[in-house]
Amino acid sequence: QKEVEQNSGPLSVPEGAIASLNCTYSDRVSQSFFWYRQYSGKSPELIMSIYSNGDKEDGRFTAQLNKASQYVSLLIRDSQPSDSATYLCAVKDGGFKTIFGAGTRLFVKA
Amino acid sequence: DVKVTQSSRYLVKRTGEKVFLECVQDMDHENMFWYRQDPGLGLRLIYFSYDVKMKEKGDIPEGYSVSREKKERFSLILESASTNQTSMYLCASSLSGGSTDTQYFGPGTRLTVL
Repeated sequence: QKEVEQNSGPLSVPEGAIASLNCTYSDRVSQSFFWYRQYSGKSPELIMSIYSNGDKEDGRFTAQLNKASQYVSLLIRDSQPSDSATYLCAVKDGGFKTIFGAGTRLFVKA
Repeated sequence: DVKVTQSSRYLVKRTGEKVFLECVQDMDHENMFWYRQDPGLGLRLIYFSYDVKMKEKGDIPEGYSVSREKKERFSLILESASTNQTSMYLCASSLSGGSTDTQYFGPGTRLTVL
């Protein structure tokens, strides 16, 4: 059974701080990695994707991938109260299915 | 922008009723998916379809069926609703298969079975 593990949180950070969200996955052949943000009562929306080892930056967001350790992380710099949401890590092999983690709840305190 | 719509935001049904949830996407995507989302369990795949009239079971297909008669429309059917099917149901679509393919979600249907 392929698994994606995330700490459920809540992770609480003060406004302006860096929020660090982590994810591990079990399937070594996984090729693609995604971070989705889900506000309460809303559907998930894609914020980052990463396919190769290293860092990928997009604005205040940085995704980090380490395939040897089967580890993906998302850093949010200068966290804002509007970043308060659940963040879902998702992993895909070359097929149709995407495996989602249960998500980490993030609270950014003003 | 990709738009995925679902027929209802909220539904309340009684045990034993037949329930239809509809999903429509407007971007000519090949693949469509149905998930349910429950607290602490994340998104679990019920069924997916990679072409018209094609369907594949996901991780939790029991008690559900699907229909895809047109490319843009994917229906989830609960043949005889039960209380343990109370959940948030999310439809998603993606352009094609492959490792870089990303999924776009509809707004969700919160189903309550009494």
